[in-house]
Amino acid sequence: DGGITQSPKYLFRKEGQNVTLSCEQNLNHDAMYWYRQDPGQGLRLIYYSQIVNDFQKGDIAEGYSVSREKKESFPLTVTSAQKNPTAFYLCAIGQENTGELFFGEGSRLTVL
Amino acid sequence: AQRVTQPEKLLSVFKGAPVELKCNYSYSGSPELFWYVQYSRQRLQLLLRHISRESIKGFTADLNKGETSFHLKKPFAQEEDSAMYYCALNTGTASKLTFGTGTRLQVTL
Repeated sequence: DGGITQSPKYLFRKEGQNVTLSCEQNLNHDAMYWYRQDPGQGLRLIYYSQIVNDFQKGDIAEGYSVSREKKESFPLTVTSAQKNPTAFYLCAIGQENTGELFFGEGSRLTVL
Repeated sequence: AQRVTQPEKLLSVFKGAPVELKCNYSYSGSPELFWYVQYSRQRLQLLLRHISRESIKGFTADLNKGETSFHLKKPFAQEEDSAMYYCALNTGTASKLTFGTGTRLQVTL
């Protein structure tokens, strides 16, 4: 059903390595978000961006970085500083003024 | 700070039985509340929002500001309702949602 695409679906990395997760959208939404989903903890906001070239930290930004150079793209880098990076990462785009989010299929990162 | 609490990790009901998924929130301002659902192998998606006061797939939810609750209800559970349900709170204009920890609904025959 397109609209918002995350890649890769599955990713393995060794400790100490940085990894970048891709999030692309073709729905022309200004707002984009990254959430982390862990069993028993729900979704927690990592970073969000309301406009190109601007982004804000969410509740658990430490060990992560983002960029928003284009409206369509909001990549997330999980750095080696993130202490517990193994998780399911969800990208979302925001419907303006409605509070409705459209989610991607997610990327599962496993650190070996 | 805002907070969303879903006290049940798992709710198991029989087909045809009533369902109530609990959600309580903590927020000093005027809240916007949502229910999101994640069916097996599907994306997380919006189920309903309190301002619409609509019924989706037989589910309803009423905002009770006095009890700071937004419980999700359905009179007769169906097998296809089995999924993970998240309550979410929007406290600003950025659609920056705070999610609860989720409740897995399991509907059995």
